[in-house]
Amino acid sequence: DGGITQSPKYLFRKEGQNVTLSCEQNLNHDAMYWYRQDPGQGLRLIYYSQIVNDFQKGDIAEGYSVSREKKESFPLTVTSAQKNPTAFYLCAGRTGVTTGELFFGEGSRLTVL
Amino acid sequence: GQSLEQPSEVTAVEGAIVQINCTYQTSGFYGLSWYQQHDGGAPTFLSYNALDGLEETGRFSSFLSRSDSYGYLLLQELQMKDSASYFCAVRDRTGFQKLVFGTGTRLLVSP
Repeated sequence: DGGITQSPKYLFRKEGQNVTLSCEQNLNHDAMYWYRQDPGQGLRLIYYSQIVNDFQKGDIAEGYSVSREKKESFPLTVTSAQKNPTAFYLCAGRTGVTTGELFFGEGSRLTVL
Repeated sequence: GQSLEQPSEVTAVEGAIVQINCTYQTSGFYGLSWYQQHDGGAPTFLSYNALDGLEETGRFSSFLSRSDSYGYLLLQELQMKDSASYFCAVRDRTGFQKLVFGTGTRLLVSP
């Protein structure tokens, strides 16, 4: 089945620890994105990548890092420098070249204790 | 930069029609999209408007007025399953590949 797989679905970490969220896709998307969503809030762009080995900062990149070594994979690391990391993280691939339509994974919910 | 404004919450009854408005400010403009998100789920694409006018897809329609920097999502024949959050999003010319989302409108449909 084609899709975007995010793992883990739920993650608990202690303050000060780095954590990496996985995002794997088999839809042949060139462009991929990471968004953060806080309760009752909209989606805020963390990083995006238009092509392998290239990525750009979004609006809230501080405290996060990404890599894009393969087209299929776009992992996000939440570092200890991120002051409020508890959130719902969504990975997406761009399906519509004309419309910019995004197809999202099911998300990873990170709770920092 | 970009900013988008939506009402935070809208309530309606089954079978009714509801309109969710979105006003935006961008430096350049490519198009306005709408996404639906049920609680705890992933956002899913509903519609896209690049030109002025109304786009209809089944019970849902989306409207855009570029001169007014305004759009809306119209939901007809509301069903309980339409209870969800609805987000407008813009692509602008400064970041063609970027999609910036509004803060979302929570729609509550009651029997």
